[in-house]
Amino acid sequence: GDSVTQMEGPVTLSEEAFLTINCTYTATGYPSLFWYVQYPGEGLQLLLKATKADDKGSNKGFEATYRKETTSFHLEKGSVQVSDSAVYFCALSVGAGGTSYGKLTFGQGTILTVHP
Amino acid sequence: GAVVSQHPSWVICKSGTSVKIECRSLDFQATTMFWYRQFPKQSLMLMATSNEGSKATYEQGVEKDKFLINHASLTLSTLTVTSAHPEDSSFYICSARDDALYSNQPQHFGDGTRLSIL
Repeated sequence: GDSVTQMEGPVTLSEEAFLTINCTYTATGYPSLFWYVQYPGEGLQLLLKATKADDKGSNKGFEATYRKETTSFHLEKGSVQVSDSAVYFCALSVGAGGTSYGKLTFGQGTILTVHP
Repeated sequence: GAVVSQHPSWVICKSGTSVKIECRSLDFQATTMFWYRQFPKQSLMLMATSNEGSKATYEQGVEKDKFLINHASLTLSTLTVTSAHPEDSSFYICSARDDALYSNQPQHFGDGTRLSIL
């Protein structure tokens, strides 16, 4: 079946540090890949996405590139801020024609804490 | 655009009570909505896929009679936790996908409902 594996956290960084959160996946079809962010007590917000190999998703300084050869979608940011402290989820979705159409499979989440 | 509203945001009630949670897509139509459950410091677990005008599709291990789902319109799905007990306490999150877009477009999430059963 489909699965997503994220690097284990928590991750603690100082402000302006470089961030990488690793994400790898296995999928029976050709998935779309997503990063979601969850702030304390809230639902999930889409951070970025990529729908085909070599696509780069980017938003708010975060980037991730769909690497089919390594089945990875690592999240990066060059300079983190305190306001980036949240839980980050990597996820995949397989499209029409697959039995998991539209369903999201999530990684376990990575807690990021950024200190001033 | 693409706002999903979930209500209520917080519920505290006595054991044995039934609780209804609403999920609305405010500015788009959603034939399909999804209900998730999240335990503290854990990932989201898909409970069921809610289909407008038909029965919901439940994931393995989720009790259909415990978690009733109704998707009566293209903008509203409800989850009713029947005869809730303390072990049902959790954070419930819904999501919806815009029908007007192609497949594999992102789901949009509500802000979640924290359910506490005393």
